[in-house]
Amino acid sequence: GIQVEQSPPDLILQEGANSTLRCNFSDSVNNLQWFHQNPWGQLINLFYIPSGTKQNGRLSATTVATERYSLLYISSSQTTDSGVYFCAVERWRDDKIIFGKGTRLHILP
Amino acid sequence: GEEVAQTPKHLVRGEGQKAKLYCAPIKGHSYVFWYQQVLKNEFKFLISFQNENVFDETGMPKERFSAKCLPNSPCSLEIQATKLEDSAVYFCASSPDSQYQPQHFGDGTRLSIL
Repeated sequence: GIQVEQSPPDLILQEGANSTLRCNFSDSVNNLQWFHQNPWGQLINLFYIPSGTKQNGRLSATTVATERYSLLYISSSQTTDSGVYFCAVERWRDDKIIFGKGTRLHILP
Repeated sequence: GEEVAQTPKHLVRGEGQKAKLYCAPIKGHSYVFWYQQVLKNEFKFLISFQNENVFDETGMPKERFSAKCLPNSPCSLEIQATKLEDSAVYFCASSPDSQYQPQHFGDGTRLSIL
């Protein structure tokens, strides 16, 4: 089956720093989503980005489908950005999502 | 509604008891998915429905797990004779019947087996 690898597994940054999270996937996908799981366990949908670039405030994401990777950028980090960031892919329409193991981000005040 | 609603938020059961979890998908969404998150990071797909029909059940443990999505009722996931290893957060997601739409997740049900 398709493999989804995220890096780095853990990241500790000072408030105000920028970060780049990476997601590699082993096969063509129909869909890619980035999620933030906050300390309360809620899964927040950040981006739906099967290809191209999107921006939402301090966050942006780029997916290069032909090279099978996606990047999530967080600028000017805040303590509320702490949590686990998951990349998840869908091989074809209406298929189940396959999650990576996540990047745990800890922003220090 | 506009959100996927999962109940209860937290469920505690003794080993061997039955557990039943509920999910109300977003109104108008045709697809419902159940996922199990163990060890904080690892997600496992369990089952999906297209309306009331099972779409993909390749992730469902065969013996103790069952699920339904009946018309005009919340979907349900039932675990018979629970084991300690069933302790996890169970997420439900829904998506509309159209291409290029994301899955929307509920807040999950935390199942604790004692």
